[in-house]
Amino acid sequence: DTGVSQDPRHKITKRGQNVTFRCDPISEHNRLYWYRQTLGQGPEFLTYFQNEAQLEKSRLLSDRFSAERPKGSFSTLEIQRTEQGDSAMYLCASSLVPPSQGAGNYGYTFGSGTRLTVV
Amino acid sequence: SQKIEQNSEALNIQEGKTATLTCNYTNYSPAYLQWYRQDPGRGPVFLLLIRENEKEKRKERLKVTFDTTLKQSLFHITASQPADSATYLCAGGNNRKLIWGLGTSLAVNP
Repeated sequence: DTGVSQDPRHKITKRGQNVTFRCDPISEHNRLYWYRQTLGQGPEFLTYFQNEAQLEKSRLLSDRFSAERPKGSFSTLEIQRTEQGDSAMYLCASSLVPPSQGAGNYGYTFGSGTRLTVV
Repeated sequence: SQKIEQNSEALNIQEGKTATLTCNYTNYSPAYLQWYRQDPGRGPVFLLLIRENEKEKRKERLKVTFDTTLKQSLFHITASQPADSATYLCAGGNNRKLIWGLGTSLAVNP
């Protein structure tokens, strides 16, 4: 297992187009998270899954954003009708059960991200 | 609202010195705090986790503290090296999700 993989690494799209990103988490991890990050900011939570169930979605997220994790393995994040304000790094992370419930000293494992530029 | 606040100013130190970064939380009580390192154009990399019932945790040259009275965590890098130059993110969590700080940029000068 080589960690969390995200594809593509970079995406340039025209405003109004739809884009889809893929994330392959660490196989033993049952939680998967999507974040968005812009320059000089911390990661902004978008949504997370436990296995195939989407447990929470940020209220900041418009209806143009949707995420799936159909078999509890890989996940996709789709943005419809992209806007220039959607330009950001989209990060995927996975983890085991939250650290407060389990033993051990582990956190989230992030992928390298997908950088989206909307022109 | 729940917040994690970190030094917004970049920290510049000389190689070999100890770097100390601060993380303060407000309007909530995280069960644990995590520290991550992030290099430009990359995702964050997990470094350390400390729980609210732990005062201090160490890993090699790294040390993190958790003071629930001050609502603060300190992150120390001893014997710093130029390779430690990066942005360091603090995140506080409970069962559901993490709340992230904006990060502090550290530059270690040779």
